[in-house]
Amino acid sequence: NAGVTQTPKFQVLKTGQSMTLQCAQDMNHEYMSWYRQDPGMGLRLIHYSVGAGITDQGEVPNGYNVSRSTTEDFPLRLLSAAPSQTSVYFCASSFTGGASTNEKLFFGSGTQLSVL
Amino acid sequence: GQNIDQPTEMTATEGAIVQINCTYQTSGFNGLFWYQQHAGEAPTFLSYNVLDGLEEKGRFSSFLSRSKGYSYLLLKELQMKDSASYLCAANMRFGAGTRLTVKP
Repeated sequence: NAGVTQTPKFQVLKTGQSMTLQCAQDMNHEYMSWYRQDPGMGLRLIHYSVGAGITDQGEVPNGYNVSRSTTEDFPLRLLSAAPSQTSVYFCASSFTGGASTNEKLFFGSGTQLSVL
Repeated sequence: GQNIDQPTEMTATEGAIVQINCTYQTSGFNGLFWYQQHAGEAPTFLSYNVLDGLEEKGRFSSFLSRSKGYSYLLLKELQMKDSASYLCAANMRFGAGTRLTVKP
């Protein structure tokens, strides 16, 4: 099993460009989520999904879009990149999820994004 | 609102014991998680507590008091490889992490 796979590992964008961060898991997990990690602020939840066709906003959703057309994939789209979106992004999944979950999260290896 | 607080940095000596505290305020509670994150890597699961008391797992133990909104992670017989950040989490929310440095 590959677990949670994120691509790319590194990306540099110019302000205003758009891009998609890819996330795929092969564990048949229902729950998938995206976090950003900034120094001194810890992991902050951007968007999450409790199953195919269902997505919801987390703490910091502005400037990001998601979709969940399959159980395996949960891409994160930056519509018009801004320097404030410079961060490390992690995709995470669990078998079930949501605020009522007692399931541990499995994380991808992360994407380091710089917006100039 | 939801708030999870933990110390920013801690330093300890190889072979010693260290306790990392976490206080939380959440609307609804479904358990508290601890994750370990080495520099430049992804977080990995360490422990989960949903009932009051101590859960022991080898050199690592985690304690929970729901009435006090308090948890701690106890690391015994510290090794250099334990140098990492330790993240406290509840209801999909994470604390800022405690960076632990283990010195010889």
